[in-house]
Amino acid sequence: EIVLTQSPGTLSLSPGERATLSCRASQSVSSYLAWYKQKPGQAPRLLIYGASSRATGIPPRFSGSGSGTDFTLTISRLEPEDFAVYYCQQYGISPRTFGQGTKVEFK
Amino acid sequence: QVQLQESGPGVVKPSETLSLTCSVSGYSISSGYFWGWIRQSPGKGLEWIATLYHSGSTNYSPSLKSRVTISLDTSRNQFSLEMKSVTAADTGVYYCAREWAGGYSDFWGQGTLVTVSS
Repeated sequence: EIVLTQSPGTLSLSPGERATLSCRASQSVSSYLAWYKQKPGQAPRLLIYGASSRATGIPPRFSGSGSGTDFTLTISRLEPEDFAVYYCQQYGISPRTFGQGTKVEFK
Repeated sequence: QVQLQESGPGVVKPSETLSLTCSVSGYSISSGYFWGWIRQSPGKGLEWIATLYHSGSTNYSPSLKSRVTISLDTSRNQFSLEMKSVTAADTGVYYCAREWAGGYSDFWGQGTLVTVSS
């Protein structure tokens, strides 16, 4: 199965700063990659699908890029509600798999 | 707005069968989309378990396929998960979700914690 490796494990930033999160796949998944945000005690929330398409209601400060094996989620200016754990998920090759997560925490 | 709600026992004994139900509101599951189960545990993170199409066709994670059954109850607008012969490794939060054909989930239930313990 495809292994997704997210880096860094933790990102310590301040509100207003730019966050850049990475997700690397063990083999090509084309553009079949999604990003989710999860806050404590809540279910994951879909942010991005198809590597770069924003889900309904997701603000434009969230953007996704990449294809093949290397993907990036960028949050242009962090808002207080953006401090959370972010997961990537591939659905190009069955079984679909998730990365281990990147925690964005207050610096 | 689509809403999903998981229900089931909070505790299951080792070797027994776990049964969970997902109740869907705001959308008729017989009308389309895929419906699935995903779990989350500290040891294994997020793990896809199974997916069901509204027509009844199914897809299972290879690592769980021998123990899992997903099924549809259109009359109640629900779908269910059964997992046989559970062990402590099956402890975690179980989510039901609506899935797009490609395999990502746009609506999730709040999750239900299942603990396998005697």
